[in-house]
Amino acid sequence: EPEVTQTPSHQVTQMGQEVILRCVPISNHLYFYWYRQILGQKVEFLVSFYNNEISEKSEIFDDQFSVERPDGSNFTLKIRSTKLEDSAMYFCASTGTGGAYNSPLHFGNGTRLTVT
Amino acid sequence: AQSVTQPDIHITVSEGASLELRCNYSYGATPYLFWYVQSPGQGLQLLLKYFSGDTLVQGIKGFEAEFKRSQSSFNLRKPSVHWSDAAEYFCAVRYNNNDMRFGAGTRLTVKP
Repeated sequence: EPEVTQTPSHQVTQMGQEVILRCVPISNHLYFYWYRQILGQKVEFLVSFYNNEISEKSEIFDDQFSVERPDGSNFTLKIRSTKLEDSAMYFCASTGTGGAYNSPLHFGNGTRLTVT
Repeated sequence: AQSVTQPDIHITVSEGASLELRCNYSYGATPYLFWYVQSPGQGLQLLLKYFSGDTLVQGIKGFEAEFKRSQSSFNLRKPSVHWSDAAEYFCAVRYNNNDMRFGAGTRLTVKP
């Protein structure tokens, strides 16, 4: 069964550094998402992406965050200048053709970001 | 405001016992409802979903959930829990916009 894959599984970075989290969504999916989960807390929506542009974003997704689909297969989340509070598990997700509201999201296994 | 509530942060059940995890949503219309499971260090796996029609939906791993409009609930159930069911369970809703909103999660511990 096709999967969403995320790399790396764990990234450690220093405060103020830029990080890029990478995702390969399921190949025929059209809608892409990033979520984060701070340790012990709920899964929070960051951003959705369709047709090469952001569709929705939450208040968490401020100017230090950006997303890109550089080559038709990868979907990246960049954090420009990391803060300690960015430490979290970041999940990529994609959903199938049409992006209908009843389509479930398929999640990757996440990238654990640790900012020191 | 749209919201998803999972009232139970942590539940412990004995292996073989029945399980019910609660989920309530707040929305004017019927949302699209999902249950996901997260094992330690893993991503989110879809257990089941409800869109319309039969209010009792069957999922993977022997789970089922019942949509009750009058109670704005979508509780997850399993008749007999296995030790491998120990995980974090998230209820999620998707409204007439793009994103999916998650509840805070319920951590399930299974006693031998």
